[in-house]
Amino acid sequence: KQEVTQIPAALSVPEGENLVLNCSFTDSAIYNLQWFRQDPGKGLTSLLLIQSSQREQTSGRLNASLDKSSGRSTLYIAASQPGDSATYLCAVSPRYSGGYQKVTFGTGTKLQVIP
Amino acid sequence: DAGVIQSPRHEVTEMGQEVTLRCKPISGHDYLFWYRQTMMRGLELLIYFNNNVPIDDSGMPEDRFSAKMPNASFSTLKIQPSEPRDSAVYFCASSLGTPSEQYFGPGTRLTVT
Repeated sequence: KQEVTQIPAALSVPEGENLVLNCSFTDSAIYNLQWFRQDPGKGLTSLLLIQSSQREQTSGRLNASLDKSSGRSTLYIAASQPGDSATYLCAVSPRYSGGYQKVTFGTGTKLQVIP
Repeated sequence: DAGVIQSPRHEVTEMGQEVTLRCKPISGHDYLFWYRQTMMRGLELLIYFNNNVPIDDSGMPEDRFSAKMPNASFSTLKIQPSEPRDSAVYFCASSLGTPSEQYFGPGTRLTVT
């Protein structure tokens, strides 16, 4: 059974700092990994999706990396801003073998960027 | 597209009452998912549909929960009778094909007193 862990559960940084969020998974037989952002009282917004054949994906100030062999993904946020404050979740899809493959979500890291 | 639409956004009801949550997926998406999020258990998949057909409802906690998708643009999640432990945020998500990027609605915050 796939287990997805995100440590730390909460993180507070000053504005402007570069930061890294971590996501660990136990089963390396994955198809893709997705990073989401969740604002308080809102739904999940997809940030980046990395296929298992990829090493990283970039979108603006965000960079997500994937190391299947070690069961890790990181989300790098450059020059953090107060607007980046939110909970960040990673979600892992298992290797595709036909039909829907149940996605496993991490419990998230709650980020606070202090002005 | 307006994204995944859910209604109501907030629901407060008394124990024993019937609750119906609604979802409109993104047009053209063939997969629809219902999730529940709580502090204790995080995000849990309750049920998912493919082309309006329920495929896996193993995540539905009890017989009190039921879900339908009468057409490609509408789905409901019903709880009858509701209990305080059902209090959570319920999300609907949709995707085109699988495995692919899921798009989430804003959620319905349910409080059962």
